[in-house]
Amino acid sequence: DAGVIQSPRHEVTEMGQEVTLRCKPISGHNSLFWYRQTMMRGLELLIYFNNNVPIDDSGMPEDRFSAKMPNASFSTLKIQPSEPRDSAVYFCASSLTGGAGELFFGEGSRLTVL
Amino acid sequence: QKEVEQNSGPLSVPEGAIASLNCTYSDRGSQSFFWYRQYSGKSPELIMSIYSNGDKEDGRFTAQLNKASQYVSLLIRDSQPSDSATYLCAVNRPQGAQKLVFGQGTRLTINP
Repeated sequence: DAGVIQSPRHEVTEMGQEVTLRCKPISGHNSLFWYRQTMMRGLELLIYFNNNVPIDDSGMPEDRFSAKMPNASFSTLKIQPSEPRDSAVYFCASSLTGGAGELFFGEGSRLTVL
Repeated sequence: QKEVEQNSGPLSVPEGAIASLNCTYSDRGSQSFFWYRQYSGKSPELIMSIYSNGDKEDGRFTAQLNKASQYVSLLIRDSQPSDSATYLCAVNRPQGAQKLVFGQGTRLTINP
């Protein structure tokens, strides 16, 4: 079975540009999470969806970040405009049972903003 | 106080010895506890979950939970070089929307 699929795997962009990260969760999973990982701050939850509905976006750092889940098989995380401090690895994860169960992570999207 | 705290390490253990990883959490209402392993450049993967006080064993891994002390640990017996990785403790936040909060992780190195 295919796991969580993320794209792009690597993105290098210049400050001020728009960045869109994509995620396809595991089929049948009803919860989807976006995490950001840096050396300084570790793995931080940005937003999570349950049945395509955003449940908690309190981790989204500021208005420059937005996330959507138009259907059960696709989600996007957008940063506009991007800044150097947004450089990180962004992980998407999906789960059958929300935060009480096992998360399956994608391979991550490494973002570098110059 | 951070919600989930771990010693960042690095923790160095000789091959064949027992590696002991510790984690404390702040929310007494938390019910679900997890250990994830993350190899360098890879994504986290679940290795253990524990929900009730006491020990839970799975092969060379034992998770221990003490809710009174708000403490979770992971023991790795007969450590192998392939166990070298960062180990992330994760705890669910039960109030409102359930979600997992991760600790900073402990970097473990097993020396041959």
